[in-house]
Amino acid sequence: EAGVVQSPRYKIIEKKQPVAFWCNPISGHNTLYWYRQNLGQGPELLIRYENEEAVDDSQLPKDRFSAERLKGVDSTLKIQPAELGDSAVYLCASGHRGSYEQYFGPGTRLTVT
Amino acid sequence: GQQVMQIPQYQHVQEGEDFTTYCNSSTTLSNIQWYKQRPGGHPVFLIQLVKSGEVKKQKRLTFQFGEAKKNSSLHITATQTTDVGTYFCAGRSSVSGSARQLTFGSGTQLTVLP
Repeated sequence: EAGVVQSPRYKIIEKKQPVAFWCNPISGHNTLYWYRQNLGQGPELLIRYENEEAVDDSQLPKDRFSAERLKGVDSTLKIQPAELGDSAVYLCASGHRGSYEQYFGPGTRLTVT
Repeated sequence: GQQVMQIPQYQHVQEGEDFTTYCNSSTTLSNIQWYKQRPGGHPVFLIQLVKSGEVKKQKRLTFQFGEAKKNSSLHITATQTTDVGTYFCAGRSSVSGSARQLTFGSGTQLTVLP
């Protein structure tokens, strides 16, 4: 079974530039999560999808962050414009609805200069 | 909001020594999960505990959920170099309305010296 795929793996941008991250969850997983992990910290949930519906986006900074999961499969997380404090690893995870296990992707390491 | 704290932040042990990390929540949890993240890797699910006072074992790893469902621990017996990584607990609040959101602790980074 293929795991969660994320791209790009690394991204370096200047502040005020836009950036987008892509996630392809494990086939058949209804639930998709985006997390942000700062250095030395645990992952923090940004948004959770059940199929194409965002059911928990309370932690998403909506002034600059947006996400979509149009067909209930792949998802994109966007930041526009990026700030220095956005430097972190952005993790995507997926799981079956009703299951407690989350399977994480390798993450995208974002550096904002 | 819910806070999950882990101690210690770092632990260096000699190979063969035991290791324990502790997790405490500011609120009662419906369940708690443990993850391991190798250096440069991503979190990998280890186990979930649901019942008050529950104890589960996976080979050399023993996981415990407190009676009040506000704390948990992970104990590794006779550490090996393959145990190196950061261990995170993640608690799910028992308060309705936030049933599926996990709050991760800040992790304990384990170094095993050969």
